[in-house]
This record gives sequence, structure tokens and C-alpha cells, in this order.
Amino acid sequence: NAGVMQNPRHLVRRRGQEARLRCSPMKGHSHVYWYRQLPEEGLKFMVYLQKENIIDESGMPKERFSAEFPKEGPSILRIQQVVRGDSAAYFCASSPDRGPRYGYTFGSGTRLTVV
Amino acid sequence: AQTVTQSQPEMSVQEAETVTLSCTYDTSESNYYLFWYKQPPSRQMILVIRQEAYKQQNATENRFSVNFQKAAKSFSLKISDSQLGDTAMYFCAFMKQGDSGTYKYIFGTGTRLKVLA
Repeated sequence: NAGVMQNPRHLVRRRGQEARLRCSPMKGHSHVYWYRQLPEEGLKFMVYLQKENIIDESGMPKERFSAEFPKEGPSILRIQQVVRGDSAAYFCASSPDRGPRYGYTFGSGTRLTVV
Repeated sequence: AQTVTQSQPEMSVQEAETVTLSCTYDTSESNYYLFWYKQPPSRQMILVIRQEAYKQQNATENRFSVNFQKAAKSFSLKISDSQLGDTAMYFCAFMKQGDSGTYKYIFGTGTRLKVLA
């Protein structure tokens, strides 16, 4: 079982460019969550998706950020027109069901640096 | 709103000794879940231990154990026989089901633990 796979591991973008972060959940997991970690802070919830559905996006900034989890392929977190404040580590987690019975399995994150 | 406080930004411990990391949280809920995660320099978030609020018995996982004091809203992590590989950032996290049905983590700001040889 390969675990939660995130790529790229590091991503550098210039201000105004687009960033695409990918997450492949663990085999058998259909629930995906994205969290953001700013420097020296804990992770903060962004969005929760199931296949082809956004269930809860209450933690997503209103503009420039979007997420999807298509029927086929990985979940994508997309940030348009990046700004320096978007620099952070973005973590994806997955679970086999909705509940917290075993906690969620996290990937190793994508570190986004905006220059 | 729920909050999680880790009051020790950094700690160090000698190899083979015992260290306790503190965590307090604030909630009005009666049913929730608490976790400790370890984040080594590789950045991977690794689940260390998990506690369900309705269980009075403290969770243990090998060298890791918790002291869960529900009334005091305290959830400390004890690491026994510390090893160099325990060097990492440790995050305390609270989880409950929100209005939307989503189970979300609320993380503390972390404690950086260094195990000294």
C-alpha cells in the first residue's frame, strides 16, 4: 500500500502564476482532505471532497483557490495567480470513511514557494 | 470555537529519559477525539496516538502514552525511553464533527522536541 501520494514535493512559482498540487489517496480511500500549514503553525483545514463532490470547502479562501476530485485520477488543489502569502506546505489526507475512527492518513505534503 | 494550545514551543530530553509534552483544548462538546501527530524533518505527518473522549482509560502505544484529563481539558503526551528518532515536531489535535457533517482536525502550533545523545 503506497500511502497517500502527493506531488510535486516542492513547487516554486512566480507571483501571478498558477500552482497545481496533486494528491492520490490511499487505495480504498474515497474521502480526501486538504490542509495548509503556514510556517511555524499547525495544519489548518481547507476542503473535504469525495469523488466528484466537494463536501465542505469552509476553509478555502474565497478567491483563487479551487479543488476537485474527479471520478478518475488524483485530487487537485489549484491556486490561481499566486501571491507570496500562499507560500506554505499543503497536505492531503485520506480516509476510508467519514468518521475519525482511525484518524486520517496524511501525505508528505507539497511545499509551495512563491517568489 | 474549539482551540488547541501547546504551551511549550521547544523541549529537549536526553536519550533514554522520559519527557512529557503538554496540550490543552477548549470545547463545549462532550464527544470528540484527540490525537498526537509527529512531524519529523521529512515533513510526513505520522499518527502517534489517539484518544476518544468517552473512554476514560488513557491510550498507550509502546513508548507513548497520554494523560487525558477530560474535566481539565488536558491531553499530555509522555514519551518513555526517548530515542534519537523521536526528534520531531509534535502536534496535538482535536477532532469533532462539524455542522456540515465533516470531521475536521484543529491542530495546536506544535512542540519541537529534540532528543540529545
